[in-house]
Amino acid sequence: DAGVTQSPTHLIKTRGQQVTLRCSPKSGHDTVSWYQQALGQGPQFIFQYYEEEERQRGNFPDRFSGHQFPNYSSELNVNALLLGDSALYLCASSSETTDTQYFGPGTRLTVL
Amino acid sequence: GEDVEQSLFLSVREGDSSVINCTYTDSSSTYLYWYKQEPGAGLQLLTYIFSNMDMKQDQRLTVLLNKKDKHLSLRIADTQTGDSAIYFCAEDAGGGNKLTFGTGTQLKVEL
Repeated sequence: DAGVTQSPTHLIKTRGQQVTLRCSPKSGHDTVSWYQQALGQGPQFIFQYYEEEERQRGNFPDRFSGHQFPNYSSELNVNALLLGDSALYLCASSSETTDTQYFGPGTRLTVL
Repeated sequence: GEDVEQSLFLSVREGDSSVINCTYTDSSSTYLYWYKQEPGAGLQLLTYIFSNMDMKQDQRLTVLLNKKDKHLSLRIADTQTGDSAIYFCAEDAGGGNKLTFGTGTQLKVEL
């Protein structure tokens, strides 16, 4: 079992650009959640996808959007990047029958 | 609203017990979690407790929940250097795996 995987590992972008991050959930999981972890902080919930639809959303602007594919993998898109978007982006997967989320290793995004 | 607080640092000697504390504000929390994060890595689920439980033990880990005071603790017995990491507590207030995390407690284990 590969667990939750994310790509790329690291990414450097400049202000105003757009970025797409990818996540494959743990085998058997159908729900994907995305979190942003700024340096020295705990992760903050961005949104969650289930059955290819956004089911829950945290306090993030519309520049943050996502998608879930029929194979349950997911993408996080961020438009018009700001310096403050620099963070570790974590993907977590779960299923309707489990009480726990498992996290991937994260994508480190640096905005210059 | 949801708010989770933790102390920032804890230093212990190898072989001693570590106790990491957490307070939360949402009384509707269904599950409370402890995650471990090593430098440059993602989050590793350590253990969790359902809100109708007072205690859960899993090998070297003991979780205590005081629901009246909204206080959660993680005790690590016989702490080892490999336990050095940042520990996050998190609550799932509304269910559905939308977690609210604390700021993390950095545990340093000294020889």
